[in-house]
Amino acid sequence: NAGVTQTPKFQVLKTGQSMTLQCAQDMNHNSMYWYRQDPGMGLRLIYYSASEGTTDKGEVPNGYNVSRLNKREFSLRLESAAPSQTSVYFCASRDRIYEQYFGPGTRLTVT
Amino acid sequence: QKEVEQNSGPLSVPEGAIASLNCTYSDQGSQSFFWYRQYSGKSPELIMFIYSNGDKEDGRFTAQLNKASQYVSLLIRDSQPSDSATYLCAVSSGGSYIPTFGRGTSLIVHP
Repeated sequence: NAGVTQTPKFQVLKTGQSMTLQCAQDMNHNSMYWYRQDPGMGLRLIYYSASEGTTDKGEVPNGYNVSRLNKREFSLRLESAAPSQTSVYFCASRDRIYEQYFGPGTRLTVT
Repeated sequence: QKEVEQNSGPLSVPEGAIASLNCTYSDQGSQSFFWYRQYSGKSPELIMFIYSNGDKEDGRFTAQLNKASQYVSLLIRDSQPSDSATYLCAVSSGGSYIPTFGRGTSLIVHP
């Protein structure tokens, strides 16, 4: 099992550019999450999907959109990137009981 | 706004000592409590979870929960340099499992 995979690992964007971060899990989990992590700020929830076909906003959704493409895949889109979106982005999935499994992260820099 | 507070540290302990990491939370309805370990440049991984008041032990790790004081802690016995990492406390309430993360405590174990 690969667990949770994310692409790309690194990305540099210019202000106003758009991009999609991809996430996939092969553990047959229903719930998936997108977080951002900034220095000294911990993990903040952007969006989550409790099951295929549903998505909900988290703590910091502004400037982002998500798509739960199927049970395996959950993508995060930045329509018009801003320097404030420079961060490390983690995707996670959750098993039936409690544990969240995190992907390796995407380091995004917006100049 | 649900809040989870942790001392950012760094907490420095000598090898072989007990490291004590603390976390307080604001939501009295919180039911599930988690400790994640995050090495520099890596993704978080779950090391302990606790639901009931009291202590829960797993190897060198002990989680302690006091719901009346809204306080959860993690003790690491016989600390090793490989335990040097940031430890994130996460708290969730209800059945939807949307955890709120603290900002993390940096632990340094020196030989």
